[in-house]
Amino acid sequence: SQQGEEDPQALSIQEGENATMNCSYKTSINNLQWYRQNSGRGLVHLILIRSNEREKHSGRLRVTLDTSKKSSSLLITASRAADTASYFCAIISNFGNEKLTFGTGTRLTIIP
Amino acid sequence: EPEVTQTPSHQVTQMGQEVILRCVPISNHLYFYWYRQILGQKVEFLVSFYNNEISEKSEIFDDQFSVERPDGSNFTLKIRSTKLEDSAMYFCASTRDRGDQPQHFGDGTRLSIL
Repeated sequence: SQQGEEDPQALSIQEGENATMNCSYKTSINNLQWYRQNSGRGLVHLILIRSNEREKHSGRLRVTLDTSKKSSSLLITASRAADTASYFCAIISNFGNEKLTFGTGTRLTIIP
Repeated sequence: EPEVTQTPSHQVTQMGQEVILRCVPISNHLYFYWYRQILGQKVEFLVSFYNNEISEKSEIFDDQFSVERPDGSNFTLKIRSTKLEDSAMYFCASTRDRGDQPQHFGDGTRLSIL
C-alpha cells in the first residue's frame, strides 16, 4: 500500500480550539491533497500541496508537508461546529498515475 | 460553482442484477474517475478515464465493471451481476488536468445489494 495511516483516528475538541491531524504515506509523491467528508456526503477538496512545497494556507487551514518524513499535517484554527466531519489525506504518487490513494481518515468532532 | 452530479443518490438492487450509476462531470474537465467507499473503510480507486478510454484501473475493477461516456456530458459505471460485497458508496470525480489539479467529487451513489 502506498498510503499509511492518519492519526488520530478520532478527535474531539471544544469550539474555538485548534485541531491538528496528521497523515503518513509510503511512496514518492507528486502532491498530497486534503479532503473533508460530511456524514453521508461526498468528498470536498480543501487544499493541495505539491511535493516541492512545505506549507500552504487557505483561510483557517494550514497544511505542512515533510517529504523526508513522508508526512503531512492539517491544522484547523479557531474550530467551529460546522468543521465536524471526517478529514482524509490523499496522495498522487510520482509513478505516472493519476489516481488518488486515500488514508483512513480522522473523524473530527467540534463540541459547541 | 460548477459541481459533479451523480444519480441516483441511493440504488437498491437484487444480487445478480445489473446496475448503472450515472455521473455528470464538470463541463470543462477532461479526466474522469470512479472511487468506492465500503462502509467504515477507505475510499478506493476503481478506474480513470480519458479521451474515451480507460487510462488506469485497480484490481477491484474486474470484468464485472465497465465505464462509458455515452455522450458529451454523462459518465457511467456499469456493474454486471452484482454481488453482496458490491454494496458501497460510489463516487465519481473529475479534474481538468490530471495529477496536478484537485479532483472534484460528486455526493455519491449509495448502492445496496440485497
